Amino acid sequence: EAGVVQSPRYKIIEKKQPVAFWCNPISGHNTLYWYRQNLGQGPELLIRYENEEAVDDSQLPKDRFSAERLKGVDSTLKIQPAELGDSAVYLCASSFADSLGGSPLHFGNGTRLTVT
Amino acid sequence: AQKVTQAQTEISVVEKEDVTLDCVYETRDTTYYLFWYKQPPSGELVFLIRRNSFDEQNEISGRYSWNFQKSTSSFNFTITASQVVDSAVYFCALSAFTGTASKLTFGTGTRLQVTL
Repeated sequence: EAGVVQSPRYKIIEKKQPVAFWCNPISGHNTLYWYRQNLGQGPELLIRYENEEAVDDSQLPKDRFSAERLKGVDSTLKIQPAELGDSAVYLCASSFADSLGGSPLHFGNGTRLTVT
Repeated sequence: AQKVTQAQTEISVVEKEDVTLDCVYETRDTTYYLFWYKQPPSGELVFLIRRNSFDEQNEISGRYSWNFQKSTSSFNFTITASQVVDSAVYFCALSAFTGTASKLTFGTGTRLQVTL
């Protein structure tokens, strides 16, 4: 079984530039998550999708961050414009749908973003 | 509100020593799940175990064991006879169902360094 695939693996951009991350979840997983992990911290949820619907985007900074999952499969997370504080690892995860939250998440390798 | 506390920021042990990683959680919900994930230097979070709030039975898997105690709101993780390959950051996480949706919260992680 193929795991969660993310690209790019690393990205270095100057502040105020746009950047986009791509994620392809495990086949059959309805739920897709984007997390941000700052150095020395645990992952923090940015947005969660159930199929095409964003069911929790309360932690997504909507002034500069956007995400989409148009066909309910792969997803793109965008930042425009990037700020220095956006430097972090962006993790994508997927799981089977489970309203009680018991399905384990399967994570990709992440994209390490550096904003200079 | 839910919270996960991993008080141990970093632990160093010599190979073959036993080590216990502590996790204390807070939630007002009666239905919840607890997880442990491992994050090796490659960056991908790997699911290790899940327990639900109604099952306090401890679990052993090879050199790994988990002790879930609702009375102290703890879900500790013990590695017996540690090996260099166990070196990683370990995250405890809590998923609580709030009645309308579930939310997964990670602790800040414990970095385990196993040396020869």
